[in-house]
Amino acid sequence: QVQLQESGPGLVKPSGTLSLTCTVSGGSISGYYWSWIRQSPGKGLEWIGFLTDSGSTDYNPSLKSRVTISVGTSKNQLSLRLSSVTTADTAVYYCARDQGRWGGFDYWGQGTLVTVSS
Amino acid sequence: QTVVTQEPSFSVSPGGTVTLTCGLSSGSVSTTYYPTWCQQTPGQAPRTLIYSTNTRSSGVPDRFSGSILGNKAALTITGIQADDESDYYCVLYMGGGIRVFGGGTKLTVL
Repeated sequence: QVQLQESGPGLVKPSGTLSLTCTVSGGSISGYYWSWIRQSPGKGLEWIGFLTDSGSTDYNPSLKSRVTISVGTSKNQLSLRLSSVTTADTAVYYCARDQGRWGGFDYWGQGTLVTVSS
Repeated sequence: QTVVTQEPSFSVSPGGTVTLTCGLSSGSVSTTYYPTWCQQTPGQAPRTLIYSTNTRSSGVPDRFSGSILGNKAALTITGIQADDESDYYCVLYMGGGIRVFGGGTKLTVL
């Protein structure tokens, strides 16, 4: 069974960089797309971007200038970096396996809350 | 910028049927947007119920069905149960790899 686990600092200062890791177990990251999605407190879901199995990326145009999604430093890890954060970036951040039009987001992590505050 | 629209809230009685919709602020939703529906219960991660307009994900009961109704995507839930009380989000594939979530519909089971 594929499992995803997000990890990283729960508190980031304004103007700093948010960095999260998604560790995939029970399967390989190869052969799939992987998305990051966030949810501000009490709000809806927002797609941040994805990483393909070939290493290419695509991002939400509203975040594109600040986002980087890449393969993590360890096997079966993905990373998310969001720069120049503000309080508006406070959210639960999810990673998900993304089957796109052929399956939607079929596996999700439990999410991790990141608070932007001084 | 195109906005994906959903009803903010809906109430339904147990045993009833509800149809939630997903539209565009400009234009019509068609199968070419591959509408996807996700369910999120409070405090939980979402899960995909329906993808590519009307294909149920593994393990999703056939009480849940997707379709195109007029110029919108639709999620119909029949035989409503108490644990169907959740937030429902549609996702549209806008081309170029971009995915856009709707604002979500909060479904209350009375």
